[in-house]
Amino acid sequence: AQSVTQPDIHITVSEGASLELRCNYSYGATPYLFWYVQSPGQGLQLLLKYFSGDTLVQGIKGFEAEFKRSQSSFNLRKPSVHWSDAAEYFCAVNTGNQFYFGTGTSLTVIP
Amino acid sequence: NAGVTQTPKFQVLKTGQSMTLQCAQDMNHNSMYWYRQDPGMGLRLIYYSASEGTTDKGEVPNGYNVSRLNKREFSLRLESAAPSQTSVYFCASPGHGRGEQYFGPGTRLTVT
Repeated sequence: AQSVTQPDIHITVSEGASLELRCNYSYGATPYLFWYVQSPGQGLQLLLKYFSGDTLVQGIKGFEAEFKRSQSSFNLRKPSVHWSDAAEYFCAVNTGNQFYFGTGTSLTVIP
Repeated sequence: NAGVTQTPKFQVLKTGQSMTLQCAQDMNHNSMYWYRQDPGMGLRLIYYSASEGTTDKGEVPNGYNVSRLNKREFSLRLESAAPSQTSVYFCASPGHGRGEQYFGPGTRLTVT
C-alpha cells in the first residue's frame, strides 16, 4: 500500500538558520511527489513538485527538494528560514487517481 | 476565476443532525476530491469523482455520501453527524500543472 511518512511532527529553528524537512514514501512505481504548505487557518498551497528528470527541484519562497530514489525520500530544504515560513508542511504522493499525504511537520521559527 | 470554492466556512452541528458541504470549481476539470484534515493525521481522502456522474470511495468514506451534481459541483453530505466527524474539510480539483491538486479554503465543522 502506498504511504507517506514525515518522521518529524514538530521542528523549531532560528530565523536565518537552514531547514530540512524529511519525507519518505512507499510506492511501487516512480511517483509524482509534492510539498504543500499550510498557514494557520488557510488552505494548502503548492510549494514544489517532482515528476522526473533533475532530482533537485526548485519551488516558491526559496524552497527546494531533492528526490533520492535509493532512499525513497523527498526532503524539503531552505538555506535561510524567515519568520513567515512558520506553518505546517505536508509531503504528498500522487499515484494517478489518488493523493496520499503525510501527517505533516509543524515548523516554528524563533526570532 | 475563483478556482475552488467551498461553503460554508464554519458550521456547528449537534449529534444526529445532517448537513451538506458544497464545493464548486470553475476550472472545467473532470476530477474533484473531498478530504478531511485532523491533527496528527494529515489529509485523508473521503471520496473522489473522476468525472461527472462517477464517484469512488477514498480512505475514510464511512458516514459520508457524495453527489457529483454536474461538472462544476461536488457535494459532501453527513446524514447523521457524529463527534468523530469534527474536522476541517477540504475540497480539491486538479491544479494547473500535471498531477497537482488545487484546494479550496476549507470548511471547519464541529459536531457537539
